Amino acid sequence: DTAVSQTPKYLVTQMGNDKSIKCEQNLGHDTMYWYKQDSKKFLKIMFSYNNKELIINETVPNRFSPKSPDKAHLNLHINSLELGDSAVYFCASSQDFSTNEKLFFGSGTQLSVL
Amino acid sequence: GQNIDQPTEMTATEGAIVQINCTYQTSGFNGLFWYQQHAGEAPTFLSYNVLDGLEEKGRFSSFLSRSKGYSYLLLKELQMKDSASYLCAVKGSNSGYALNFGKGTSLLVTP
Repeated sequence: DTAVSQTPKYLVTQMGNDKSIKCEQNLGHDTMYWYKQDSKKFLKIMFSYNNKELIINETVPNRFSPKSPDKAHLNLHINSLELGDSAVYFCASSQDFSTNEKLFFGSGTQLSVL
Repeated sequence: GQNIDQPTEMTATEGAIVQINCTYQTSGFNGLFWYQQHAGEAPTFLSYNVLDGLEEKGRFSSFLSRSKGYSYLLLKELQMKDSASYLCAVKGSNSGYALNFGKGTSLLVTP
């Protein structure tokens, strides 16, 4: 069983569209994250949820809206997609937020906005 | 925010030893991590340091000096499969204790 799974793996869409990326973890972790990795491979934190509560919201356009229906799921919805949104988006989870637990990453979603 | 610096690229020969350095600035330091990322794949955990000193794990070792804001990852007996990007990441209070990554060091192992 995959520990952190995200879908879809590839997403190609037109500018202005709205799209969602789903993430699920079966590790029983309390904390989940979304990271964005740009073309220069820089991995940057976007959001973090702990037990369905938003705890980190970095400087991300409000076109990006995370939703956590339960602590095993953290989905990312993106409105009005722009060219600059093209990147690989990684979901991750950790046991909790306050300890120094390592992150487990999903396999990534490569988003291409045309 | 945090400043995390590491070399962009390194090249080493199969069987050799390579050291990848990382310097950082943060407040409320709460740990330093090293991750490995092969092209097209997710990052995977390699090591964690929170106290000064060397942590050894097989062919990989990681060192931390908190007073100097410095860490290194040491890879011994290099293998071709070690060609990957190595990401230094720091956890600190000025980012809400999220894990912040450096830009990664792309290591190429040559025959």
